[in-house]
Amino acid sequence: EAGVVQSPRYKIIEKKQPVAFWCNPISGHNTLYWYLQNLGQGPELLIRYENEEAVDDSQLPKDRFSAERLKGVDSTLKIQPAELGDSAVYLCASSSGEGPYNEQFFGPGTRLTVL
Amino acid sequence: GEDVEQSLFLSVREGDSSVINCTYTDSSSTYLYWYKQEPGAGLQLLTYIFSNMDMKQDQRLTVLLNKKDKHLSLRIADTQTGDSAIYFCAETIDASGGSYIPTFGRGTSLIVHP
Repeated sequence: EAGVVQSPRYKIIEKKQPVAFWCNPISGHNTLYWYLQNLGQGPELLIRYENEEAVDDSQLPKDRFSAERLKGVDSTLKIQPAELGDSAVYLCASSSGEGPYNEQFFGPGTRLTVL
Repeated sequence: GEDVEQSLFLSVREGDSSVINCTYTDSSSTYLYWYKQEPGAGLQLLTYIFSNMDMKQDQRLTVLLNKKDKHLSLRIADTQTGDSAIYFCAETIDASGGSYIPTFGRGTSLIVHP
């Protein structure tokens, strides 16, 4: 079974440019997460989807970040415009259900460098 | 609020045991997890423990949970060079309305040398 797929793996852009990341979760997983991982830190949740619905986006900087999960499968995370401080790894994860036990399967991440 | 803390580095000799420690602050934690992250890869779940358990063993891995002190540890027996990675402690808490939010520590970088 294929794991969580993310693209691109690496992205280098200049500040003020837009950028988009794509995630394809494991087939059948209803829950999808986007995390931000800064260097030397653990992942921090940006947004969580249950199917098409964003159920927790309190940590998403809505002035420049947006996300969508059309049809409840693939998801896209966008930054417009990017700032120097957005340089980080953006991780996508998926899981099969709700509830307290929640094994998340992570993709390899997209490493963003903003110059 | 919730917070998960870990020591940043651990260096061990191959064949020795490694013990990675974690403390958390939210007493309503339900499940606690250990994830492993190798360079350039996403996180991979190693093991987990339910909050009403004290210990869980899975092959070379032993998880100990002290709820009174809010302390979680991961012991790796017979540590190998392939165990070199960053290990993240994580918890899920009930945010509200049945929403379980995962919170990760900063990660412990385990270095295994011959």
